[in-house]
Amino acid sequence: NFMLTQPHSVSESPGKTVTISCTRSSGSIASNYVQWYQQRPGSAPTTVIYEDNQRPSGVPDRFSGSIDSSSNSASLTISGLKTEDEADYYCQSYDSTVVFGGGTKLTVL
Amino acid sequence: EVQLVESGGGLVQPGGSLRLSCAASGFTFSSYWMSWVRQAPGKGLEWVANIKQDGSEKYYVDSVKGRFTISRDNAKNSLYLQMNSLRAEDTAVYYCARLSPRCPVGCFDYWGQGTLVTVSS
Repeated sequence: NFMLTQPHSVSESPGKTVTISCTRSSGSIASNYVQWYQQRPGSAPTTVIYEDNQRPSGVPDRFSGSIDSSSNSASLTISGLKTEDEADYYCQSYDSTVVFGGGTKLTVL
Repeated sequence: EVQLVESGGGLVQPGGSLRLSCAASGFTFSSYWMSWVRQAPGKGLEWVANIKQDGSEKYYVDSVKGRFTISRDNAKNSLYLQMNSLRAEDTAVYYCARLSPRCPVGCFDYWGQGTLVTVSS
């Protein structure tokens, strides 16, 4: 099985743009869809990006996802940061099993 | 509106058993793969098990194989997780999640609010 590696934490100011990376350890990042989940403190996860770059209805277009085969990684970009975006973000993919990244704590300060 | 509501969590002694339930509404339950995902206190998300629409295929993370059983009752729009031989390391919030129809093996689109399982003497 492969692993997904995320930075432990990132921080940025309101109104700015932040990008969270997710690197796949083996196998191609393009082989299977990547999803991103937001988890605010004390709450259940919610899906913010599915199938690499698709946004569920209700998720603002400030959230975008992409994959980069050259670095074998996926990225979640949040533009126009708001304090309400402060949360843990998890990437996730799969092959014969489901794999989550370790999560990235986003601080908006 | 899609809703997933878990129940059945609680405090159980090591070696004990517990059955979690997830009541689904707002969608055609029998048309979707379903899943359980857990989160130990202060830790990240960990996939536990998946089940196909008709229950004919089930998949588990290695750490629960032989101890946990995922099942469903489509007539009752309900998903279950029977947990036996519980260990301290099974302590977690357990989430019920729906799998996307375009990516039924590994793309979650909706999540429940979770139920806490604590394994302790």
